[in-house]
Amino acid sequence: ETGVTQSPTHLIKTRGQQVTLRCSSQSGHNTVSWYQQALGQGPQFIFQYYREEENGRGNFPPRFSGLQFPNYSSELNVNALELDDSALYLCASSYRTENNEKLFFGSGTQLSVL
Amino acid sequence: RKEVEQDPGPFNVPEGATVAFNCTYSNSASQSFFWYRQDCRKEPKLLMSVYSSGNEDGRFTAQLNRASQYISLLIRDSKLSDSATYLCVVNTGGNTGFQKLVFGTGTRLLVSP
Repeated sequence: ETGVTQSPTHLIKTRGQQVTLRCSSQSGHNTVSWYQQALGQGPQFIFQYYREEENGRGNFPPRFSGLQFPNYSSELNVNALELDDSALYLCASSYRTENNEKLFFGSGTQLSVL
Repeated sequence: RKEVEQDPGPFNVPEGATVAFNCTYSNSASQSFFWYRQDCRKEPKLLMSVYSSGNEDGRFTAQLNRASQYISLLIRDSKLSDSATYLCVVNTGGNTGFQKLVFGTGTRLLVSP
């Protein structure tokens, strides 16, 4: 168990809708990253939050947005859902130090867009 | 060209076999390297970090060649429980604590009795 929990575990939406995915980081962790994993692919970096601010973003459009709260929980919001957004969404937390590189992944949210 | 490239497999091997996976990466400024293991539709789990000097953890040996931008993973005496997808991962976020992990597509391993 990594101590990182995600909700919901599964979700079905239709094209054009909006979705919010949630992540609760491991206690003491101040950094959270979100990844998208399409079927048959490796996880793709969406963005990272450190102390409630986005400090890095992958190649994803602005309709992918996020929040990190003072208690270090986090949300991923996706607007105007497209069929290609169907994927496993993974949250990973860590405690930022100069040399820390270990990420702890949650078990993910499987999103299906119909 | 993908930032991290792996042969997707599958690699079908019998129990007890030795199997090797390779991976190449394109960003020469990459700072750190890992192998993750992922079981079917579950979260990736860190298997081991990869160092230039090579490192071993039981039946698993990882190697990094910075000059060739090449990473390898060797599994000896394969077990049925080794069946999974092995993800080659490169941290391109620099050394300031920012971690941007770039994952390969993964290599699927199937170990049969």
